[in-house]
Amino acid sequence: AQTVTQSQPEMSVQEAETVTLSCTYDTSESNYYLFWYKQPPSRQMILVIRQEAYKQQNATENRFSVNFQKAAKSFSLKISDSQLGDTAMYFCAFMKHPGNQFYFGTGTSLTVIP
Amino acid sequence: GAGVSQSPSNKVTEKGKDVELRCDPISGHTALYWYRQSLGQGLEFLIYFQGNSAPDKSGLPSDRFSAERTGGSVSTLTIQRTQQEDSAVYLCASSLDSMNTEAFFGQGTRLTVV
Repeated sequence: AQTVTQSQPEMSVQEAETVTLSCTYDTSESNYYLFWYKQPPSRQMILVIRQEAYKQQNATENRFSVNFQKAAKSFSLKISDSQLGDTAMYFCAFMKHPGNQFYFGTGTSLTVIP
Repeated sequence: GAGVSQSPSNKVTEKGKDVELRCDPISGHTALYWYRQSLGQGLEFLIYFQGNSAPDKSGLPSDRFSAERTGGSVSTLTIQRTQQEDSAVYLCASSLDSMNTEAFFGQGTRLTVV
């Protein structure tokens, strides 16, 4: 079975500062993907960033980057130059590949303070 | 369509009534997922459809829940004899196929059972 753990229910950050959200996972699969999804008040889940487990290089998307530590089964998200629009729930997720379901963590509520 | 569309956006129903929730995936997407998000919780997998294959129903919480996908496109999630614990946001997502991990989510249906 796969499990995803997000140990920070709530976090806050000053606008323009950097924040890191933590995520750990447990799996015996060798081929999988990891994701960070953002859920603003509109409820629609939006893909922030995706990492393939076989790639050693950490994924980066503009202000968003991950620190993927495969041996430690850790997958943290760093948001640089935080903006007010980054305020949302952030979910870490796992999917074995090929797979048929995402396993989600319980989320971290991030507030960007002006 | 441009994205995954779910209807209704909000639904209030009396305990014991049946409800139907609809999901229109992105045109051409063969994989479709239903998830349930209860207040303060992560996302709970319900069911997965892939093309003409038999759906993975392993996440359905009881026999009061069922889902169909007609013509490989629109999907309907039906909850019979609704209970208060069914109150949640029901999210639908689609992806190109089972090998493509980029899933696009709808805005969900918020179901309230009174």
